Amino acid sequence: NAGVMQNPRHLVRRRGQEARLRCSPMKGHSHVYWYRQLPEEGLKFMVYLQKENIIDESGMPKERFSAEFPKEGPSILRIQQVVRGDSAAYFCASSPTLRDRDTSGANVLTFGAGSRLTVL
Amino acid sequence: AQSVTQLGSHVSVSEGALVLLRCNYSSSVPPYLFWYVQYPNQGLQLLLKYTSAATLVKGINGFEAEFKKSETSFHLTKPSAHMSDAAEYFCAVSLRGGKLIFGQGTELSVKP
Repeated sequence: NAGVMQNPRHLVRRRGQEARLRCSPMKGHSHVYWYRQLPEEGLKFMVYLQKENIIDESGMPKERFSAEFPKEGPSILRIQQVVRGDSAAYFCASSPTLRDRDTSGANVLTFGAGSRLTVL
Repeated sequence: AQSVTQLGSHVSVSEGALVLLRCNYSSSVPPYLFWYVQYPNQGLQLLLKYTSAATLVKGINGFEAEFKKSETSFHLTKPSAHMSDAAEYFCAVSLRGGKLIFGQGTELSVKP
């Protein structure tokens, strides 16, 4: 089981460029979450997706950020016209469907190793 | 709304000493609670979770946490710290089936 795969692990962009971060969930998981970790801060929720649907995007900045989880392929977090303040580690996590969880029903997230974005 | 507060952004202990990392939560309904550990330049790894089955929860690497409803706390402990425990620890809360809300994290240092 390959776990949650994120790529690229490191990405450098200049101000104004676009950044695309990809996340392949664990096999059998259909829920994907994106979190952002700024230096010296905790993880901030950004968005929660299921296949072809955005379930909760309450943590997404209103502009320049978008996310998708298509029927085929990985989930993608897209940041347009990056600014220095976007420099952070972006973590993806996945979880199974409600039916496939353990008897407690707890939503246990499995995290990827993260993508570290540096904006010059 | 749910929230988590971790008291102390940095905790330092000596090798062999007790580890105590504090977490208080706020939730209008019975929550699920989690502790995750993050080693440098890595993702988060689940240490343990509380799901209302038992108030004392045992996790990996000798860690455990006790859910105290009256204190709205879920502190993480380990009787004897090891050098390999040095990492950042995150407490998190969620409602059934929902996203996790994380605390600010506590960096644990272990001195030889």
